[in-house]
Amino acid sequence: NAGVTQTPKFQVLKTGQSMTLQCAQDMNHEYMSWYRQDPGMGLRLIHYSVGAGITDQGEVPNGYNVSRSTTEDFPLRLLSAAPSQTSVYFCASSYSGGGIYNEQFFGPGTRLTVL
Amino acid sequence: KQEVTQIPAALSVPEGENLVLNCSFTDSAIYNLQWFRQDPGKGLTSLLLIQSSQREQTSGRLNASLDKSSGRSTLYIAASQPGDSATYLCAPSLTYRGSTLGRLYFGRGTQLTVWP
Repeated sequence: NAGVTQTPKFQVLKTGQSMTLQCAQDMNHEYMSWYRQDPGMGLRLIHYSVGAGITDQGEVPNGYNVSRSTTEDFPLRLLSAAPSQTSVYFCASSYSGGGIYNEQFFGPGTRLTVL
Repeated sequence: KQEVTQIPAALSVPEGENLVLNCSFTDSAIYNLQWFRQDPGKGLTSLLLIQSSQREQTSGRLNASLDKSSGRSTLYIAASQPGDSATYLCAPSLTYRGSTLGRLYFGRGTQLTVWP
C-alpha cells in the first residue's frame, strides 16, 4: 500500500491565484481530513469527510473548498490564495466503520507559499 | 474547545536515557488519543493509539499511558537513541462530537534531541 499520498510537495502561488492540493489513499478509509500546520501552532483542522459525497467544515475552513466524489480522493481547493494561507498542508485518513474511528495516517504534506 | 499542552517544549539528552514526555488536555471526554512523531520537513508518523477505555499501550521501546480523569497522557521512551530525535505530538479526539469523532486536537509538541 502507498498509504496517503499528496501532490504537489511544494507550490508557490501569487496572491489571487487558485489551485488544488491533491490527496489520495489506497486503504479504503471512509474518513479523510485536511489540516494546516503553522510555526508555533498545533495542526488545525480545515475540512473533513466521513465518506464519498459527505464533507463538513473544521476549525479554519474559510478560503478553502473540498469535495469527495470517491472514497480514495479528497482534494483541497484554494479559491483565491492569500499570504495568510502560506502553510504546510497535511491530509489524513482513517477507518471509521460502524462509528468506530481508528488510527489516523498522515500524508507527507504540501508546502505552500503565497506571495 | 479541547486545549492540548505538551511539556517540555524541548528536550536534549544523551543517548541511552529513559525519557518522559507529558501531554495534558482540558476536556476529559476523549474518544481516543494518538501519539505521533514528526521529523523535520516530513509528515506525521503514528506511534501509538490509546482508546479511551485503555490505560496504556506499548510498542517496542515506547509506552504511552492515559489518565482520562486527570486529563493526562505520558509517552515513555526507553533507552533513547539518536534516531529518536524528532518532534513528538499528542492528539486526543473528543467523544461527543458525532461525526467529528475523527477530529484530532494537537498541541505544539515536544522537540526531542538525542545526542551520541
